[in-house]
Amino acid sequence: DQQVKQNSPSLSVQEGRISILNCDYTNSMFDYFLWYKKYPAEGPTFLISISSIKDKNEDGRFTVFLNKSAKHLSLHIVPSQPGDSAVYFCAASAQGNTGKLIFGQGTTLQVKP
Amino acid sequence: NAGVMQNPRHLVRRRGQEARLRCSPMKGHSHVYWYRQLPEEGLKFMVYLQKENIIDESGMPKERFSAEFPKEGPSILRIQQVVRGDSAAYFCASSPGENYYGYTFGSGTRLTVV
Repeated sequence: DQQVKQNSPSLSVQEGRISILNCDYTNSMFDYFLWYKKYPAEGPTFLISISSIKDKNEDGRFTVFLNKSAKHLSLHIVPSQPGDSAVYFCAASAQGNTGKLIFGQGTTLQVKP
Repeated sequence: NAGVMQNPRHLVRRRGQEARLRCSPMKGHSHVYWYRQLPEEGLKFMVYLQKENIIDESGMPKERFSAEFPKEGPSILRIQQVVRGDSAAYFCASSPGENYYGYTFGSGTRLTVV
């Protein structure tokens, strides 16, 4: 039972363009969502998050959008840089869930120079 | 300013042996989470511990796996009688408190069972 799904295993984007990574969830109890970035042989690094009371959160080049009715969130990276090439995981948690995160399978982003 | 430290980075065990994975949280962090990443999959929650207490072990396999976070020293994830299916990357994360989701992960321990 995959409660958090990233249906695109990979994405390739030209440097300077926008990268859009998508994530769908099924559990309506989720109220907090995060994006993590992971390089090979390293642990995931927290990138940006959003609470379910918001529909958008922005931090520099990174913006996360949340559509609760569609149970969908997306991460926009503008402009994309070669150093953004990594695996991106979305994750979700429910209030009272002891901080446990449910991760998607990940999307590998490649930004070409 | 050390982050979350995990050791060893790589661990090779023969089937039936024991594996011990260690995690030292960031300074001042008293909450530790363990996750496992199987090949081509996302991270799966295993266990959440505070000092001397297991808070949530809903993701731990019922047999052969155990975790502890003693008053002194690192958190330990112990896998007894390892099988090939235990081969995975095991990540530890720490946070300063409850319900703090943007926690910091270590670099992981890659366990290979041969």
